[in-house]
Amino acid sequence: QVQLQESGPGLLKPSQTLSLTCTVSGGSISGDSHYWNWIRQPAGKGLEWIGRIYTSGSTNYNPSLKSRVTMSVDTSKNQFSLRLRSVTAADTAVYYCARDRGMATMFDAFDIWGQGTLVTVSS
Amino acid sequence: SSVLTQPPSVSVAPGQTARIICGGNNIGRKGVHWYQQKPGQAPVLVVYDNSDRPSRIPERFSGSNSGNTATLTISRVEAGDEADYYCQVWDSSSDHYVFGAGTKVSVL
Repeated sequence: QVQLQESGPGLLKPSQTLSLTCTVSGGSISGDSHYWNWIRQPAGKGLEWIGRIYTSGSTNYNPSLKSRVTMSVDTSKNQFSLRLRSVTAADTAVYYCARDRGMATMFDAFDIWGQGTLVTVSS
Repeated sequence: SSVLTQPPSVSVAPGQTARIICGGNNIGRKGVHWYQQKPGQAPVLVVYDNSDRPSRIPERFSGSNSGNTATLTISRVEAGDEADYYCQVWDSSSDHYVFGAGTKVSVL
């Protein structure tokens, strides 16, 4: 059974770069036709999709974050990563990684989620 | 860009039916997915592609989508269904996913 686990620093200062990694276990990140996604959720608020990456390296980003986001994938480590530059307090949130169902469509649902990791931006 | 509108809250008595709406311009032309999120937990997919259910999700959860409204219906509501529910679509005009703001379902 595929599982996802986020990891990375939990505390950042304003203007720093957020770097998170999602490790895939129980299956190959290159298997089937999955997109690998990042989603975030500020405390007490709703979900915000950040972006996604395919194992080919193809990406889509949320237009509201596109100028600050970079995603990458490392198939040898079965991991994919998120970098968010120039963070502010508004970037404080629980960050989730998630896998889509692998139906090779642009609009597939997310069937497996990591448990989430809290990132706090504070001086 | 797609904007999805959900009511902030819905209250329902045990055993009754809860209907959670997700409004959007011509949302009936899109595939809508629904997620359940309980406090402190990651979201769980309960309905995908408007009306399909993952195998582990009870038949009490169903979905429909037409015109400007998608609906998640929970039949025979149980205390364990109390959670936040989010709808999601893909916005093809700018190639990104959009979530609704979420609806908190309270079981009376």
